[in-house]
Amino acid sequence: GEDVEQSLFLSVREGDSSVINCTYTDSSSTYLYWYKQEPGAGLQLLTYIFSNMDMKQDQRLTVLLNKKDKHLSLRIADTQTGDSAIYFCAEKEVDYKLSFGAGTTVTVRA
Amino acid sequence: EAGVTQFPSHSVIEKGQTVTLRCDPISGHDNLYWYRRVMGKEIKFLLHFVKESKQDESGMPNNRFLAERTGGTYSTLKVQPAELEDSGVYFCASSRTDLLNSPLHFGNGTRLTVT
Repeated sequence: GEDVEQSLFLSVREGDSSVINCTYTDSSSTYLYWYKQEPGAGLQLLTYIFSNMDMKQDQRLTVLLNKKDKHLSLRIADTQTGDSAIYFCAEKEVDYKLSFGAGTTVTVRA
Repeated sequence: EAGVTQFPSHSVIEKGQTVTLRCDPISGHDNLYWYRRVMGKEIKFLLHFVKESKQDESGMPNNRFLAERTGGTYSTLKVQPAELEDSGVYFCASSRTDLLNSPLHFGNGTRLTVT
């Protein structure tokens, strides 16, 4: 499968913005996703972006896509303690198969 | 609408034993997928069913793993005999076939520990 890479840890102060970065390798990816996993829970789809877009905003979440550099980022504004979780970047290889990164553990400190 | 449910949530078995994981997809979702996350690494695709047919099982590690979806409803994933490296979290997901880019809905996963 294709490689999706992301940093493993991010610590952020409550109220600050968090930025989680991801790089992928498949230039033919049609959709790119961000999933969130809270402790003991499953993977929750946070947001996704179509490959012909370069930005998508949804309330506190902003996704930026640089297709030339194959770089995807997720910005969380006004980070709250409930945002502490593991965030996975994923690309859609074919119609059904997702290729995930290893996940970024975000810790929000008071 | 009930989400994807997986059973058990945790399983601890000894090397050489057999374990069967179960997944109940969202009603009406013909696509069913199994993924696995081993030791904090990336989540890896295992296989994909469309109804009762295996569409792609290219991610299955070896022939100790057997997935079934009789009747096209729930699915089971059996590991026999289990090895230490099989430890990890096994996720099931389902999606619709009739919608373009139908999102994958994941279950809470089964955490398997082989000792």
